[in-house]
Amino acid sequence: AQSVAQPEDQVNVAEGNPLTVKCTYSVSGNPYLFWYVQYPNRGLQFLLKYITGDNLVKGSYGFEAEFNKSQTSFHLKKPSALVSDSALYFCAVRDPDTGRRALTFGSGTRLQVQP
Amino acid sequence: DTGVSQDPRHKITKRGQNVTFRCDPISEHNRLYWYRQTLGQGPEFLTYFQNEAQLEKSRLLSDRFSAERPKGSFSTLEIQRTEQGDSAMYLCASSFIPTAEETQYFGPGTRLLVL
Repeated sequence: AQSVAQPEDQVNVAEGNPLTVKCTYSVSGNPYLFWYVQYPNRGLQFLLKYITGDNLVKGSYGFEAEFNKSQTSFHLKKPSALVSDSALYFCAVRDPDTGRRALTFGSGTRLQVQP
Repeated sequence: DTGVSQDPRHKITKRGQNVTFRCDPISEHNRLYWYRQTLGQGPEFLTYFQNEAQLEKSRLLSDRFSAERPKGSFSTLEIQRTEQGDSAMYLCASSFIPTAEETQYFGPGTRLLVL
């Protein structure tokens, strides 16, 4: 079975500082990994994904994520946080070897960027 | 706007009533997904369609739930005899194949409150 853990319910960071939102996963094969962001009363917006290749993936709005197979992690990062980055962030995984198409999501991490 | 659209955005109903939600995917997207998101949790997969065929259903999709995508375009999700536990955000997503590393793009969701 595939699963995702986001160990922090909330991350607080000052504007201009770097931010990291953590994600670890469990799959039997090679994972496809995704990050989405959710603003209040909105659906999920796709940020970035890792399928294969370079372990550092760049996405929308200056976000990037690093895939680490040995640590089974896919942490989301941004060099300089903005107040407008404050939102709920979800990590998701899919194991293509299972043939299933459904994404399995973590429980989310609320990012609060203080001015 | 060429994104995924969902209607209605909000629905309040009384326990025991039937409700139906609609999802219009991004044009030419042939896969369509339904997820449910309860407060404080990540989205949970319900079902998905490839064109008009329903290919996978989660055990969360009880016999009170039914989904259709009759012409391979828009989809409806019906909940019969609603219960208070059905209160959640219902999210629709669509994607384009044949790329295996498909990205699911989400709509704004329909928030259901069962009184």
